[in-house]
Amino acid sequence: DAKTTQPNSMESNEEEPVHLPCNHSTISGTDYIHWYRQLPSQGPEYVIHGLTSNVNNRMASLAIAEDRKSSTLILHRATLRDAAVYYCILRANSGGSNYKLTFGKGTLLTVNP
Amino acid sequence: NAGVTQTPKFQVLKTGQSMTLQCAQDMNHEYMSWYRQDPGMGLRLIHYSVGAGITDQGEVPNGYNVSRSTTEDFPLRLLSAAPSQTSVYFCASSYRAGEAFFGQGTRLTVV
Repeated sequence: DAKTTQPNSMESNEEEPVHLPCNHSTISGTDYIHWYRQLPSQGPEYVIHGLTSNVNNRMASLAIAEDRKSSTLILHRATLRDAAVYYCILRANSGGSNYKLTFGKGTLLTVNP
Repeated sequence: NAGVTQTPKFQVLKTGQSMTLQCAQDMNHEYMSWYRQDPGMGLRLIHYSVGAGITDQGEVPNGYNVSRSTTEDFPLRLLSAAPSQTSVYFCASSYRAGEAFFGQGTRLTVV
C-alpha cells in the first residue's frame, strides 16, 4: 500500500487558516488522495478527496501538487470544532481489494481560542 | 438517510463468549469494511467486502469472522471473546474509491 507522511501535531488559532501537509511520494496514477478527520470519541468523518486537480467543498480545500507527490488540506477559518486528528490516505481506484483505506497516525490539530 | 448504522453502541462480554456486531448501510454501497481502534491509536482494518458474497482479510483478522449475504449488511462475529479484543469497532461503506461513510462505533469491553 502506498504510504503517506504527516506531521504528528499542529497548532492553530481560531478563525485563522490552517494548512495541513501530507507527503505521498510513492503515489500511483490510480490513487485518490483522501482526507478524513476524527473528533474526540467519534468515528472518522470524510473531509475531501481528489485525484489531480484542486478540490473545494463546504468543509475544506485540497491543494494537490503538480507531480502529485504531496498535498495540503486547507481549513480556511479554523474553529474550535475543527480540533481533531486529520488523516491523509491514498485510496486506489483500480478495483476490488485496492479500495482499502489504510489509516496512519494522522495529524493532531489543536485550535486555540 | 440513515447512512451506516452500527448496533449495539456498547457491549460488555465475558471472556470466551461470542457475539455479533451488526452493520447496515442504506446507500447501496458495494464496499464495506470493519476497523478496530485501540486507545491512542489509529484504525486497523479487520475484514472487508467488495460485494455480496465476497469478503477478505485485512490487517488484524484473527478472532473475527465476517459474511456478506446482502449488499446492505456486513456483520462482524467474535468467535470467542478475549480481553485483547476490547476496543472500539467501526464499520464503513463506500461506493468504490469514493467518500467513505463510517458508523458511530461499538465500544466493546471483554472482561
